[in-house]
Amino acid sequence: GENVEQHPSTLSVQEGDSAVIKCTYSDSASNYFPWYKQELGKGPQLIIDIRSNVGEKKDQRIAVTLNKTAKHFSLHITETQPEDSAVYFCAAAAGGSYIPTFGRGTSLIVHP
Amino acid sequence: DSGVTQTPKHLITATGQRVTLRCSPRSGDLSVYWYQQSLDQGLQFLIQYYNGEERAKGNILERFSAQQFPDLHSELNLSSLELGDSALYFCASSADGTGNTIYFGEGSWLTVV
Repeated sequence: GENVEQHPSTLSVQEGDSAVIKCTYSDSASNYFPWYKQELGKGPQLIIDIRSNVGEKKDQRIAVTLNKTAKHFSLHITETQPEDSAVYFCAAAAGGSYIPTFGRGTSLIVHP
Repeated sequence: DSGVTQTPKHLITATGQRVTLRCSPRSGDLSVYWYQQSLDQGLQFLIQYYNGEERAKGNILERFSAQQFPDLHSELNLSSLELGDSALYFCASSADGTGNTIYFGEGSWLTVV
């Protein structure tokens, strides 16, 4: 089955800095890559996703890039703010089932 | 608020007992997923239902079972509970399970003592 590796496990930045979280996946059939943000005491919330026919996608301060050849994808957050502090999960899913396999998560801490 | 409702939010029970976790999907969503989140295993997919039928199975133990009812709500039954079953159990839903956004509920926190 699919295996998703996520790095780093913890990321500490100053407010205004950029943050980058990287993931790799194993199943070449995966073609859907969502990113979720989980705040304390809440369920994961989708923040952005990308499909395999797109190399990059942006939504305001958040961008995701995908390299299908290398089987890795990344989340970029620019101009970080304290409210960006949360656990971020990457996931990969293959067409057909579209059941996401999640990475282990990255705890992002943004210091004011 | 994702629109996915889970009850109870917190549950403490003893080893060997049985519990039922309940989930109401977002209005109109036909597919329901159950995930288990623990510190050592991360977010693990357990099982998926679509319109009342089991569609996919993940790392679900034989002691666990689930079903989706005609009104589309779902229940996850956990029996012969062990200490290691303590975790956050999430229900999620999507429109039809074919690549639409999956929305998660707030989870049911189970503690087995």
